Amino acid sequence: DQQVKQNSPSLSVQEGRISILNCDYTNSMFDYFLWYKKYPAEGPTFLISISSIKDKNEDGRFTVFLNKSAKHLSLHIVPSQPGDSAVYFCAAKDAGGTSYGKLTFGQGTILTVHP
Amino acid sequence: ETGVTQTPRHLVMGMTNKKSLKCEQHLGHNAMYWYKQSAKKPLELMFVYNFKEQTENNSVPSRFSPECPNSSHLFLHLHTLQPEDSALYLCASSQVGGRRTEAFFGQGTRLTVV
Repeated sequence: DQQVKQNSPSLSVQEGRISILNCDYTNSMFDYFLWYKKYPAEGPTFLISISSIKDKNEDGRFTVFLNKSAKHLSLHIVPSQPGDSAVYFCAAKDAGGTSYGKLTFGQGTILTVHP
Repeated sequence: ETGVTQTPRHLVMGMTNKKSLKCEQHLGHNAMYWYKQSAKKPLELMFVYNFKEQTENNSVPSRFSPECPNSSHLFLHLHTLQPEDSALYLCASSQVGGRRTEAFFGQGTRLTVV
């Protein structure tokens, strides 16, 4: 049972345009959501996060939107740059007492930004 | 430099070998994790250590044996692995209970079992 889903395996965008990556979750106990970026042969690097008490968080070109009622979050990158080409993982943290900060990840979306 | 260092970066081992993966975090975090990433699958949590105590084992086969001697070091001991265990093994750390809760990952160990 996959609690965090990224239904688009890949996304291709033109440089300068907006990239929108989507993520859906099923566990209503998730209280914190994160996006990670991963280049080949490297570990994931933290990009941006959002608490469940907010619906938007912005950091430079990156904005994460959270729709709790729909159990959906999205990452917007604008303008997209070729260096943004990577695998993007959505992750969620359980508010439960024994979770100890563990993250549940989606399958990842491969973003390709064309010059 | 992410503050989490994993060695080795690449490992090829036979099914009868015993090897260990090492992880060290320099961030002062109180929790460390082992994740497995297989092709076209999400990152799968294997083990969680909080203040050096194992708090979670996600039904991982006993051929994987974690060890956390202190809050900065984490090992994954491997023995009699199967070819399907070939994957990228990622270590991560985080500060549980702190203001920032994101996990920081090492670069991973690419393991190939032959």
